[in-house]
Amino acid sequence: DGGITQSPKYLFRKEGQNVTLSCEQNLNHDAMYWYRQDPGQGLRLIYYSQIVNDFQKGDIAEGYSVSREKKESFPLTVTSAQKNPTAFYLCASSFLPQETQYFGPGTRLLVL
Amino acid sequence: GQQLNQSPQSMFIQEGEDVSMNCTSSSIFNTWLWYKQDPGEGPVLLIALYKAGELTSNGRLTAQFGITRKDSFLNISASIPSDVGIYFCAGPLYSGGGADGLTFGKGTHLIIQP
Repeated sequence: DGGITQSPKYLFRKEGQNVTLSCEQNLNHDAMYWYRQDPGQGLRLIYYSQIVNDFQKGDIAEGYSVSREKKESFPLTVTSAQKNPTAFYLCASSFLPQETQYFGPGTRLLVL
Repeated sequence: GQQLNQSPQSMFIQEGEDVSMNCTSSSIFNTWLWYKQDPGEGPVLLIALYKAGELTSNGRLTAQFGITRKDSFLNISASIPSDVGIYFCAGPLYSGGGADGLTFGKGTHLIIQP
């Protein structure tokens, strides 16, 4: 069953804690992306990667980190430096150079 | 990055009515994408537009790439209850193209009264 999977569906973070959100795709897509969505808002780009072992900052990268060790995986770490981490996080992927991106089901992060 | 203005913010319509929403930008876009998002889910791609003036349909949905390349429109004909959700327009975040990421409008929330 091809697609993009994100886990967990819900994640709780304590103050000062780092948490990692998983994103996996078996579509053989080249590029992967992380977006953040706040209530009533559109999606905003955090990080993206067009090739293994390389990634670029998006508009709101502060307080986040990523890695791309495998083509199919692009985990996002929300660090303690991110002061307002409560949001819905969406992972997407695409073939290059196409611009159409396909999204996973999302992870909702809540701060305790 | 580039920004998009989407309107209306919300729409309350009767089942069976036609729906129209639009998206504008202050800069030229080479690609327009329309997505639908259900509550608690990821956006699903509806229509992709790549050429100024292009008119593309997907079932009851029709989208147009504005001739000025600064706007796009999405129409839904004969709305049904499953059309409820939030519709987003999107385009390349940076002038280099969408492979560097997308920018999204704030969405149009469609609510259908039976």
